[in-house]
Amino acid sequence: EAGVAQSPRYKIIEKRQSVAFWCNPISGHATLYWYQQILGQGPKLLIQFQNNGVVDDSQLPKDRFSAERLKGVDSTLKIQPAKLEDSAVYLCASSDNDLDRGSSYNEQFFGPGTRLTVL
Amino acid sequence: DAKTTQPNSMESNEEEPVHLPCNHSTISGTDYIHWYRQLPSQGPEYVIHGLTSNVNNRMASLAIAEDRKSSTLILHRATLRDAAVYYCILRTLYNQGGKLIFGQGTELSVKP
Repeated sequence: EAGVAQSPRYKIIEKRQSVAFWCNPISGHATLYWYQQILGQGPKLLIQFQNNGVVDDSQLPKDRFSAERLKGVDSTLKIQPAKLEDSAVYLCASSDNDLDRGSSYNEQFFGPGTRLTVL
Repeated sequence: DAKTTQPNSMESNEEEPVHLPCNHSTISGTDYIHWYRQLPSQGPEYVIHGLTSNVNNRMASLAIAEDRKSSTLILHRATLRDAAVYYCILRTLYNQGGKLIFGQGTELSVKP
């Protein structure tokens, strides 16, 4: 089974530039997550999609970050304009949980991440 | 979701057992205990989870205290590949489809 794919793996930009990250989840997974991981810290959720609808975006800095998941499959996360403090690894994860059904654990599968450096 | 406390770092020798502790004194009756680990330059991966009883799988064992205020992840024979950051996370039954709230985790180093 193919895992979660992300691209690019690395990106270096100047502050105030724009950048976009792409994620392809595991086939059939309804739920997709974007996490931000700053060096030395655990990942922090930015946004969660169930199919193509947003479930939780409470931690997403909406003045500069946006995300979409067209057709309930692939997703893109955009930063415009970037700030120095946006330097981090951006992780995409997916799971096959049905929020209506519920489950005891709903394992999340993570991609390798995109390492963003803002200069 | 309730908070967990883990040591910042631990060391182990290769082929010896490793016991990674986690305190969760404010755990509620509907909280499941999950462990994920993050190998260098990779995304986190699921290790194990449990509610009240001890659990075993091919990767590790999870020992849960009788009062559920603490738990221990046990790697029976550490290998160099087990060097990673290990995260102990509580998820309520009603948030099983939702976000994982990661703390700092425990950075495990394994010496040959």
